[in-house]
Amino acid sequence: DVKVTQSSRYLVKRTGEKVFLECVQDMDHENMFWYRQDPGLGLRLIYFSYDVKMKEKGDIPEGYSVSREKKERFSLILESASTNQTSMYLCASSRQGAGTDTQYFGPGTRLTVL
Amino acid sequence: QKEVEQDPGPLSVPEGAIVSLNCTYSNSAFQYFMWYRQYSRKGPELLMYTYSSGNKEDGRFTAQVDKSSKYISLFIRDSQPSDSATYLCAMTRGARGGADGLTFGKGTHLIIQP
Repeated sequence: DVKVTQSSRYLVKRTGEKVFLECVQDMDHENMFWYRQDPGLGLRLIYFSYDVKMKEKGDIPEGYSVSREKKERFSLILESASTNQTSMYLCASSRQGAGTDTQYFGPGTRLTVL
Repeated sequence: QKEVEQDPGPLSVPEGAIVSLNCTYSNSAFQYFMWYRQYSRKGPELLMYTYSSGNKEDGRFTAQVDKSSKYISLFIRDSQPSDSATYLCAMTRGARGGADGLTFGKGTHLIIQP
């Protein structure tokens, strides 16, 4: 059974803190993604990676960075958290080649920045 | 115009009814089309995946794509209370298919009344 796990389900941080959101997949997928989901805005792509140490900006990368040191792990970093980064963060993965479009999602991390 | 338009609802129907969910899109480059289901406080899970224009059936679910009209639909027959969820349409966004991430509609909140 495919599995994408995220380090925390709920997280509360203060403005200005550095925040790490971790995602691990056990499917040996090459592609990994970070989205945020907000009411009225839907899911928006922040960053993605199609290989170790590779990263590409999505639609809303400002204020975020990512790290992919190992194939199975993809981290989202908020360098200096702000209140407008309060959101649900979803990690996903997919395999390379045919079927890259079938993305498997983790349960999400609900981040609140005070 | 947004790339993908989806009525957020809520859409409330009685148990046993046929449900029709729809998305329109503006980007002719979109190639693959997916429907995800998302229960409250969970990550999205893939329901249906289609490529070409036409219908694809899986149990009580039928996905329909009309590329000439840039219109996709999901039909649910014999709807059950357990179908109550948010339904998200998604499309591949880049030359490398889903490896560049997906573009999502905002989701339709569906309520099946017992």
